[in-house]
Amino acid sequence: NAGVTQTPKFRILKIGQSMTLQCAQDMNHNYMYWYRQDPGMGLKLIYYSVGAGITDKGEVPNGYNVSRSTTEDFPLRLELAAPSQTSVYFCASEDRSLNYGYTFGSGTRLTVV
Amino acid sequence: DAKTTQPNSMESNEEEPVHLPCNHSTISGTDYIHWYRQLPSQGPEYVIHGLTSNVNNRMASLAIAEDRKSSTLILHRATLRDAAVYYCILSRPYNNNDMRFGAGTRLTVKP
Repeated sequence: NAGVTQTPKFRILKIGQSMTLQCAQDMNHNYMYWYRQDPGMGLKLIYYSVGAGITDKGEVPNGYNVSRSTTEDFPLRLELAAPSQTSVYFCASEDRSLNYGYTFGSGTRLTVV
Repeated sequence: DAKTTQPNSMESNEEEPVHLPCNHSTISGTDYIHWYRQLPSQGPEYVIHGLTSNVNNRMASLAIAEDRKSSTLILHRATLRDAAVYYCILSRPYNNNDMRFGAGTRLTVKP
């Protein structure tokens, strides 16, 4: 059971470039989340999804977009990378009916230069 | 959103119990108390959660004050692998986006 898989693990972008951070889960969880974590800080919610075809904004959505075409995948898109988006990005999933808490991926460390 | 307050850091000796406190004086009746931990260079990991009664699982115990304005995460015998940042979070089951991870408590375990 792979859990939540995030790719890539590391990436360096130039200002203005675009990229997609991939997140996939194989637990058939309905809820999925994207967080970012700046150095020495807690996690901030970017976007979340309660099921395929449904997404909504979190605390810090500006500069990001998401889609949820399947239950398994929840990619995060950065259209015009800025240095302020340098952070570690975590994807998480949850089966709300089981109430076992969130399962997190291992993160993507993104640097924008 | 109801807030939690945790000490920035704590130290413990290996194989001794650790009590990590969390204050949540503005907790509402429907807020669950969740604890997660984040090991170095990893994503957060679910530890335990509860509503009113004390809870035990294989990782830890959660002691909730009678007035629910504070709680304590108990690690019965700290190991070096328990060194992590521990987050105390309030969340309501019908809310979709209220799991807020603050700065947490950084636990150092000394051999």
